[in-house]
Amino acid sequence: NAGVMQNPRHLVRRRGQEARLRCSPMKGHSHVYWYRQLPEEGLKFMVYLQKENIIDESGMPKERFSAEFPKEGPSILRIQQVVRGDSAAYFCASSPPTGDQLAKNIQYFGAGTRLSVL
Amino acid sequence: DQQVKQNSPSLSVQEGRISILNCDYTNSMFDYFLWYKKYPAEGPTFLISISSIKDKNEDGRFTVFLNKSAKHLSLHIVPSQPGDSAVYFCAAVATGANSKLTFGKGITLSVRP
Repeated sequence: NAGVMQNPRHLVRRRGQEARLRCSPMKGHSHVYWYRQLPEEGLKFMVYLQKENIIDESGMPKERFSAEFPKEGPSILRIQQVVRGDSAAYFCASSPPTGDQLAKNIQYFGAGTRLSVL
Repeated sequence: DQQVKQNSPSLSVQEGRISILNCDYTNSMFDYFLWYKKYPAEGPTFLISISSIKDKNEDGRFTVFLNKSAKHLSLHIVPSQPGDSAVYFCAAVATGANSKLTFGKGITLSVRP
């Protein structure tokens, strides 16, 4: 009974390279959220996706960042041409389908991917 | 603009005593509040939540209190245990706003044996 699975746990990239972060939601969950945590900060919302749809990307930088949640397979957060300022912990969360209006507000988090840009 | 504020960065309590972690918010559209616990190198773990229609929710050693007029909530842990030592994040959501969580910066709780 796996929870939210993220990989890789650690990712090292040089400036200008691409970073791909993967997230498999909990079984039965159809909503995926990505958050970023900078050192000494709280988690900041980036993007909210459902299968094949981006619902809200208001927290995601307009350039170099993209996210998808295909019909089959994990959700992917892609960062092109990484810069040192992208170094952070990236967390994925999932929540159950809309039904119980209160239950869907509870998001369950993966262990995160720690991105280091050299 | 910090919409969820956890003004105390750290708290240290003796084992067996009560831990009180505070959180303030500014956005009156928030109507659901959550507390998460986070250990180093792990993801946040959901602890307890409360809807704005309630003023208290209890689950074992954990109780969350909500004061809507003051836009303030608190998490009480009693009795505190060394295993409770972690970073605690307060989060809020406006349920009509695509359920994105707005987090505070967190409070580091240390429970001394």
